[in-house]
Amino acid sequence: NAGVTQTPKFQVLKTGQSMTLQCAQDMNHEYMSWYRQDPGMGLRLIHYSVGAGITDQGEVPNGYNVSRSTTEDFPLRLLSAAPSQTSVYFCASSPGTGGGRRPQHFGDGTRLSIL
Amino acid sequence: QQPVQSPQAVILREGEDAVINCSSSKALYSVHWYRQKHGEAPVFLMILLKGGEQKGHEKISASFNEKKQQSSLYLTASQLSYSGTYFCGTANAGGTSYGKLTFGQGTILTVHP
Repeated sequence: NAGVTQTPKFQVLKTGQSMTLQCAQDMNHEYMSWYRQDPGMGLRLIHYSVGAGITDQGEVPNGYNVSRSTTEDFPLRLLSAAPSQTSVYFCASSPGTGGGRRPQHFGDGTRLSIL
Repeated sequence: QQPVQSPQAVILREGEDAVINCSSSKALYSVHWYRQKHGEAPVFLMILLKGGEQKGHEKISASFNEKKQQSSLYLTASQLSYSGTYFCGTANAGGTSYGKLTFGQGTILTVHP
């Protein structure tokens, strides 16, 4: 099993560009989420989904958009990139519809730099 | 709202013990613990559900006091491989948030020979 796959692994953008970070899982997990990780800030929840067609905001949703059309995929869109969005982005998934009930499986991360 | 971890950093010698604390201002449904090595993804260690349980395997264990909304991670007889950043994640009890998981800011653990 591949688990949680994130693409790309690295990306450099210019301010104002848009981009989609891809996340796919092959474990048939209902719950999927996106986090960003910045030094000293831990992992901050951006958006999450409890199943296809259902998404909700986390702690830091501004500037990001998500949709969930299939169980397997949960892409994260940056609408107009800003330097403050330079970060490492992690996608995670878990069985069931509650992120707190079962262990989270993390992807390897996408390292994004915005100039 | 993110849970609060303490201490922010710990430096140990091999064989020493450490305790990492995690607290929340909200009533909790569960507490998760993860370890992250530099440049890698977080890896699951254990999950504690409300009920005041204590779990562990080998030399790493954790407790959950749901009345105080606190959890502690205990690392005994530390090994070099324990080095990394430890995160607690919490899911709030009740509500309609489907148990979203929010993480603390992390505790950096360094074990020296």
